[in-house]
Amino acid sequence: EVQLVQSGAEVKKPGESLKISCKGSGYSFTSYWIGWVRQMPGKGLEWMGIIYPGDSDTRYSPSFQGQVTISADKSISTAYLQWSSLKASDTAMYYCVRRYYYDSSGYYYWYFDLWGRGTLVTVSS
Amino acid sequence: DIQMTQSPSSLSASVGDRVTITCRASQSISSYLNWYQQKPGKAPKLLIYAASSLQSGVPSRFSGSGSGTDFTLTISSLQPEDFATYYCQQSYSLFTFGPGTKVDIK
Repeated sequence: EVQLVQSGAEVKKPGESLKISCKGSGYSFTSYWIGWVRQMPGKGLEWMGIIYPGDSDTRYSPSFQGQVTISADKSISTAYLQWSSLKASDTAMYYCVRRYYYDSSGYYYWYFDLWGRGTLVTVSS
Repeated sequence: DIQMTQSPSSLSASVGDRVTITCRASQSISSYLNWYQQKPGKAPKLLIYAASSLQSGVPSRFSGSGSGTDFTLTISSLQPEDFATYYCQQSYSLFTFGPGTKVDIK
C-alpha cells in the first residue's frame, strides 16, 4: 500500500527541541518530493517546505524559513521536520505530503496526492 | 508571494443543491490550481488538480474550472458526505493554500 506514516503526537515545553518523522512506503521514496503542511487549531492549511529525498534539495516557504528544518534519510525512506526551540505558537497538526505531478505536453502540474494522517504537536508550559 | 482568496468563507446548503466555490489568485497562475477537501479530524484529500482534472476515485459530481486568476469548484448535487471544508492551492510558484470554504448543512 502506498502511504505516508507519521510519528505519534508530542507534548513539549517551550524552548525544547523536537523532530517528527514521516515514513514513505509502497513507492519509490527517492523519486518524489515530500512536503510539510501546518494546520493550527481551527485554522487553515499552510505549506511549510519541501524536500527531494534523492539529493536532499530543500525549499522553504518564506514564512517558515529559519523557523524549522526539513531533512530526509533516504536509506530508511523517512523525512523529518524539526524545531530547535519550540514556542507555544508551534502548537498545531503537521501533515507530510507527497508532491505528485501531471505532465501535460511537457508542462508539469504539481499537487499533493498523498497525505499522512498528521502529527499533533502541543507546546505548553 | 502569490496570495489566494476564496469566497464565500462558509455556506449552508441542502442535500441535492448545486454548490459553487470561487478561488482567486493575486497574479496569473495559468492552470496551476488544485482543490482539496478536508473533513473534521481528517487529513485533506485531493479532489481536482491542474484546475479541472478529477483525481482518481473522486465522484464526478465534483468539477473544476478556470485559468489565470479565477477558478471555480462546483459540486453538482451535494451529498451528505460532501459537508466539509474546501481549500484551493496554487502550485505555480511553490505552494499557497487559500483560506478555505466551509460547507455545512442548511
